[in-house]
Amino acid sequence: QKEVEQNSGPLSVPEGAIASLNCTYSDRGSQSFFWYRQYSGKSPELIMFIYSNGDKEDGRFTAQLNKASQYVSLLIRDSQPSDSATYLCAVLLYNQGGKLIFGQGTELSVKP
Amino acid sequence: EAEVAQSPRYKITEKSQAVAFWCDPISGHATLYWYRQILGQGPELLVQFQDESVVDDSQLPKDRFSAERLKGVDSTLKIQPAELGDSAMYLCASSPRTGTKNIQYFGAGTRLSVL
Repeated sequence: QKEVEQNSGPLSVPEGAIASLNCTYSDRGSQSFFWYRQYSGKSPELIMFIYSNGDKEDGRFTAQLNKASQYVSLLIRDSQPSDSATYLCAVLLYNQGGKLIFGQGTELSVKP
Repeated sequence: EAEVAQSPRYKITEKSQAVAFWCDPISGHATLYWYRQILGQGPELLVQFQDESVVDDSQLPKDRFSAERLKGVDSTLKIQPAELGDSAMYLCASSPRTGTKNIQYFGAGTRLSVL
């Protein structure tokens, strides 16, 4: 089992819709969770981080964390074509010196 | 706005040649990371430095890869000799501290093509 798993997609949504990106992780000791956006050929850009169970909202983005289910998600409201990118879920393994483990990424395509 | 600087942005080399990548972290960031990202996959940690010391290099292919951060500031990653399978994006990241709320910021990366 991979330490961090994401659906590879591509996920296609129409402009203005809600995009839902999901991530599961295997290490119950994980305490910190990050979502990075990566445009084609570019480096990852941090868009959200969450440490506690529940929801965290930042503009059109909402991160949701459920530690009991070992599940973290990212919702993008009012999706725009500029949101088309690969979204990387990353989990920090504190018991491994703060090592960040990435999922393989989910490709999102927002159609005008 | 402070950024992680990397050079070169692109590198084309032939197999068996030596290549080197340079990274300058955000000023004041004690922790520096080198990642390799193969197309279609997430970044994979190669080496982590805390100041000038290596914290984790468990995934670094030490027969051909080396990394150093001599003065605890900028860092160099070297591959010698390069192999076809080394073609990837090499990303450098830095963070102000380690711990549970560690946020890593990435540089623009170096795209390596080995022919």
